[in-house]
Parts: sequence; structure tokens; C-alpha cells
Amino acid sequence: EAGVVQSPRYKIIEKKQPVAFWCNPISGHNTLYWYRQNLGQGPELLIRYENEEAVDDSQLPKDRFSAERLKGVDSTLKIQPAELGDPAVYLCASSPPQGNGSPLHFGNGTRLTVT
Amino acid sequence: AQSVTQLGSHVSVSEGALVLLRCNYSSSVPPYLFWYVQYPNQGLQLLLKYTTGATLVKGINGFEAEFKKSETSFHLTKPSAHMSDAAEYFCAVSDAVTGGGNKLTFGTGTQLKVEL
Repeated sequence: EAGVVQSPRYKIIEKKQPVAFWCNPISGHNTLYWYRQNLGQGPELLIRYENEEAVDDSQLPKDRFSAERLKGVDSTLKIQPAELGDPAVYLCASSPPQGNGSPLHFGNGTRLTVT
Repeated sequence: AQSVTQLGSHVSVSEGALVLLRCNYSSSVPPYLFWYVQYPNQGLQLLLKYTTGATLVKGINGFEAEFKKSETSFHLTKPSAHMSDAAEYFCAVSDAVTGGGNKLTFGTGTQLKVEL
């Protein structure tokens, strides 16, 4: 099966500019996650979707971050405007509708650099 | 809230030696536990998971982990390290969530170095 696809792999932008990351989950996976991984740290959850509904966005900095998952498949994570504290790897993951024991399948991430 | 502690941010072993990466968890309910591996510039790949049943779990690439409830531990081991095992390893615990899916909380990771 095809894995989780993310694009772009790398993004360099100037401070105050907007940026967007795209994710295509594994077919049939109704749960989609966005994680942020700072250098030398483990991933931290930003938002979790069940189909098209954001069911957990408590860790999403809503002043500048937004996400959408139209039609319950692909998802986009946006930062507007980007700040110097935003550089990280933004990881998308998906899991099948099989309950709490289902492992997450991760994409290769988008590495963001802000100058 | 559930949490994970990985002891040792860097571990170095010789090729052929035993690999032991430590993970302790905190959970108010029976946990689901996972180990992931991350190679440079890649996403996380599942090594193994514990949900219920047998406490010794075998994963890919010769790794295994043992769930010890009394010690709240889920340490990862491999009898003989290979150069290709050099990577960063993350332990994670699953929060119970409604509606399916998982909310994984990750540890800070352990960088494994394998030397000749």
C-alpha cells in the first residue's frame, strides 16, 4: 500500500510569510494527525481529525496555525504568519478506524526553515 | 495525562553487542505502548507495539520489548547490534480517545550509535 505522502519535503521562507503543508493519508485511514517535531525532541500533536472533523486541536496555536481536511481525505496545515520559533519538522500521520491499539503511519515530514 | 520517559538521550554500542533502550511510562489506565524508529530525514517507522496479551513483543529488524507493569517499563532490546540500527528511537504511549484513533505521546528519543 502507498504510504502517507507529504509535500513539500523542505520549505524555506522569510519571517512573516505564510506557508502551507499538504498531506495525503493512506487510503481507508479515517484518522489524520499533524505533529510538530522540534530538533532533538519527540513529535508533539498539533491536531487530530476523525474524517473531516477536527476532534482534538487543543495544542494547535490558533493565532497563527490553521488546518483543514476537506472531504475527509487530504489535509493542509497552514502557518500565517511564520515566526522565527516555527522551524521544525511537520509530520502527518494516519491510522485506520480500529481503535486505540492502531499504530500511526507517518509521512516523511516537511522541514521548515524560517529566515 | 500520560507520559513517557526515555533514559539516555544517546546510547553507543559496538557492532554485535546487546542493544538496550530504556522507556518508562506513566498511565492511569492499562496503556498501549509503541516503539518507533526514525532514520535521518525520514518519518517515524513502527518497530513494535504492545496492546494486550503477551508481554514480550517482537518487532521488525530483530527488536523486541517487554511490558513490565510492576516497573512501568517497556524497554527495547536487540541481541546483536548492526550498523544499520543507527537511528533515533522513540517510545510512545497511547491516550484513550473517543471515536477511534490514537493520541500518541512520545518520549524525547534516544539516539543510537553503533560503532565498529
